[in-house]
Amino acid sequence: DTGVSQNPRHKITKRGQNVTFRCDPISEHNRLYWYRQTLGQGPEFLTYFQNEAQLEKSRLLSDRFSAERPKGSFSTLEIQRTEQGDSAMYLCASSLQGGNTEAFFGQGTRLTVV
Amino acid sequence: EDQVTQSPEALRLQEGESSSLNCSYTVSGLRGLFWYRQDPGKGPEFLFTLYSAGEEKEKERLKATLTKKESFLHITAPKPEDSATYLCAVHDYGQNFVFGPGTRLSVLP
Repeated sequence: DTGVSQNPRHKITKRGQNVTFRCDPISEHNRLYWYRQTLGQGPEFLTYFQNEAQLEKSRLLSDRFSAERPKGSFSTLEIQRTEQGDSAMYLCASSLQGGNTEAFFGQGTRLTVV
Repeated sequence: EDQVTQSPEALRLQEGESSSLNCSYTVSGLRGLFWYRQDPGKGPEFLFTLYSAGEEKEKERLKATLTKKESFLHITAPKPEDSATYLCAVHDYGQNFVFGPGTRLSVLP
């Protein structure tokens, strides 16, 4: 399978715990994006990387969220001290660098904070 | 600030009943407009990219068009398997993709 892969698919955690999600992009894609989606809404931008450099972060992204992309390959998104409001689908997408190229999404990680 | 709105919020069609979905956008510098399909519990699936006003793209029963302020996704003779949420997104010079809220389409047999 050469698509974007996300793990785990589902995560249930208790409030206050830390969680980490992983994204493996399409191998030749050097751009990687993280989005969050709640029920009935479109995906909301969180952050994006070009190779290993994190180039943009949403103003909505609290300090409890951190993302890394070591070596410009896979990426991780960590949420510290989870809150019930963090419950959402976390989507990863990748694309080629350059002007007008589409992004391809993974199947997402569904986070439930109880 | 870039904005994308979509209408209607939800649409119910009978099988074979053609219709159109609308995506209106405000963006500082459009580098591309994208349509995605999303099934429940899954990630968005790429459908089309449009780059300039007047451009059209087709795939099976779907046809996407673009003007300077909006895009339409026309669905001709839809089938129940076309039921999904259709998302529109713009890619601006800020490098990220801004999504609309989507249109939930239900096609009844």
